[in-house]
Amino acid sequence: GDSVTQMEGPVTLSEEAFLTINCTYTATGYPSLFWYVQYPGEGLQLLLKATKADDKGSNKGFEATYRKETTSFHLEKGSVQVSDSAVYFCALKAAGGTSYGKLTFGQGTILTVHP
Amino acid sequence: ETGVTQTPRHLVMGMTNKKSLKCEQHLGHNAMYWYKQSAKKPLELMFVYNFKEQTENNSVPSRFSPECPNSSHLFLHLHTLQPEDSALYLCASSQELLYQETQYFGPGTRLLVL
Repeated sequence: GDSVTQMEGPVTLSEEAFLTINCTYTATGYPSLFWYVQYPGEGLQLLLKATKADDKGSNKGFEATYRKETTSFHLEKGSVQVSDSAVYFCALKAAGGTSYGKLTFGQGTILTVHP
Repeated sequence: ETGVTQTPRHLVMGMTNKKSLKCEQHLGHNAMYWYKQSAKKPLELMFVYNFKEQTENNSVPSRFSPECPNSSHLFLHLHTLQPEDSALYLCASSQELLYQETQYFGPGTRLLVL
C-alpha cells in the first residue's frame, strides 16, 4: 500500500539555520504530494504542495520539489525563525487504485527553533 | 482561519457516556473527512463523505458513528468509548475527492476518555 516516511525528529535548530526535513514515499502511479504544518494546539495547515513530477511547491520561504526518480519530497528553508517551531507532516494523495484521493501521512517531524 | 470549525475543542467523557463532535465547513466543499491523531502514530483516516454519502469507513469500531446531514456539516457520535480512544480528532474538507485537491483541516477536538 501507499506509505510516507519522514526523517525522525525532533529537529532542533538555531534561528537563521538551514532546514531540511526528508520525506520519501511509496505509491501507485504519480500521487500528489503535500507538506502540512501543525502549530501547538492547532489543526493542520497546508504549507505547500506539488501535483506532478519536477513541480516545486513553495510558501513562506519553505520549498519542496517533487522528485519522481528518488520518490522524494524533501522540505527546505534557508533561514528558520522561532515562529517556525511546529510539527511538519509530509503526505501523499493517491492518483489511482483503491486509495484514490485519500491522504496518507508520514509520522510527523517536530521542529524546535531556538533564538 | 481555515474555514473549518470544530466543537467542542476539548472533551472529557467517561466510558459510559454518549457525546457528539461537530464539524462545520464554510468553504462550499463537497467532501468531508474524520481523522484520528494519537500520540506517536501517523494520522489515521476514519471516515470519508462525498456529497453527503459515506464512501470510506477505514475499519473503525462501531462505537464511532458518523453522520453527514448536508455537505457543510459532519458529526461524530461517540458511545461506550475506551481510554485508548483518547486522541485529537480532526475534521477536514475538500472541494471533491480528486487526488489534486487540497484538504483543509479544522483545529480538532481533544478527547480524553476516563
